[in-house]
Amino acid sequence: DAGVIQSPRHEVTEMGQEVTLRCKPISGHDYLFWYRQTMMRGLELLIYFNNNVPIDDSGMPEDRFSAKMPNASFSTLKIQPSEPRDSAVYFCASTQGVANTGELFFGEGSRLTVL
Amino acid sequence: AQSVTQLGSHVSVSEGALVLLRCNYSSSVPPYLFWYVQYPNQGLQLLLKYTSAATLVKGINGFEAEFKKSETSFHLTKPSAHMSDAAEYFCAVGRPGGAQKLVFGQGTRLTINP
Repeated sequence: DAGVIQSPRHEVTEMGQEVTLRCKPISGHDYLFWYRQTMMRGLELLIYFNNNVPIDDSGMPEDRFSAKMPNASFSTLKIQPSEPRDSAVYFCASTQGVANTGELFFGEGSRLTVL
Repeated sequence: AQSVTQLGSHVSVSEGALVLLRCNYSSSVPPYLFWYVQYPNQGLQLLLKYTSAATLVKGINGFEAEFKKSETSFHLTKPSAHMSDAAEYFCAVGRPGGAQKLVFGQGTRLTINP
């Protein structure tokens, strides 16, 4: 089975532009997580979904960030407008909830640079 | 609340030497504990996990970790370092009862000297 697939792998944009990051979780996984990784703050959980429903978005930095999961095989993280401090690597991860032991399966990440 | 502290943001060892990466946790409930590894330009992948069974857990690539409740520790070890072990390692804590958001430590970058 393919792993978690993220796109784009790299994105360079200018301040003020809209950025959309995409994620396809592993088939059959019912939990999806968005993380952000920076040198200063490490790995931060932004939001997670269960069965396509957002469960906890307390980590979303501000209203400029939004995430959706329209179906079980697709999620987006949108930043509008983007700012230089949003530069980071954004990871999507998924897992199967039933009898779950907490293991997350990560994608390779989307490296965002906002100029 | 749960938290993880990784002692040492950078660890450097010689090839063939013992690897020891330290992790201490805080949890109000019996924890699940994890070590993840991140190679350059890749996502995190699971090395090993403790889920309340045996306290000594063996993982991939010759790594193991021991859960010590009295010390609230879950240190990662490998008897003999290999150049391919150079990576960033993350300790994480979770809780039983289904998929929960994991709390990650800040990471430890392991460098292997030839």
